[in-house]
Amino acid sequence: AQSVTQLDSQVPVFEEAPVELRCNYSSSVSVYLFWYVQYPNQGLQLLLKYLSGSTLVKGINGFEAEFNKSQTSFHLRKPSVHISDTAEYFCAVNNNAGNMLTFGGGTRLMVKP
Amino acid sequence: DTAVSQTPKYLVTQMGNDKSIKCEQNLGHDTMYWYKQDSKKFLKIMFSYNNKELIINETVPNRFSPKSPDKAHLNLHINSLELGDSAVYFCASSQEAGGQPQHFGDGTRLSIL
Repeated sequence: AQSVTQLDSQVPVFEEAPVELRCNYSSSVSVYLFWYVQYPNQGLQLLLKYLSGSTLVKGINGFEAEFNKSQTSFHLRKPSVHISDTAEYFCAVNNNAGNMLTFGGGTRLMVKP
Repeated sequence: DTAVSQTPKYLVTQMGNDKSIKCEQNLGHDTMYWYKQDSKKFLKIMFSYNNKELIINETVPNRFSPKSPDKAHLNLHINSLELGDSAVYFCASSQEAGGQPQHFGDGTRLSIL
């Protein structure tokens, strides 16, 4: 079995400040890791993914994430956020069992002017 | 060119009714999925389906049944709707191989009166 924990349900931050959204996972086998973003009344859009190789992964909209196997973490970062980054962010894993994703509970990023 | 499209976007109906949600993808993917997002934004896999195999999340009531007329379509039928079925339902698709990112539709908001 696998699980994903997003430690913060809400993260308020001022515009142009850096942000980190935390994600920890547990799995008895190797996993693939993903971050998705959900804007209001929309579906999920892929931000970035880690499959193998370099542990620092760059995604769209200036986001990046670092895979840390020893800490079983995959935290998402952005050095300077914009108002338009306000959305719900989901961390997810799959272990190649039917390619089904297990999601964390989500983190609402609220960017204030 | 919508990649994964769901209809309807909104569905309001009464308890006890039977309803269907349609999903179509034009990405040429092998595998399609249904997810349920509850009022707290928690996302949970319901089904994974490709030409060869249907994988059912054992916690899904048998009132829910996926039907796939072809590789590009995966419809969701729900019988005897209950209040607890109110949620947003997302369709997604991907290539079959593990680690391939899933592409999501915009969701169907189901409200049971």
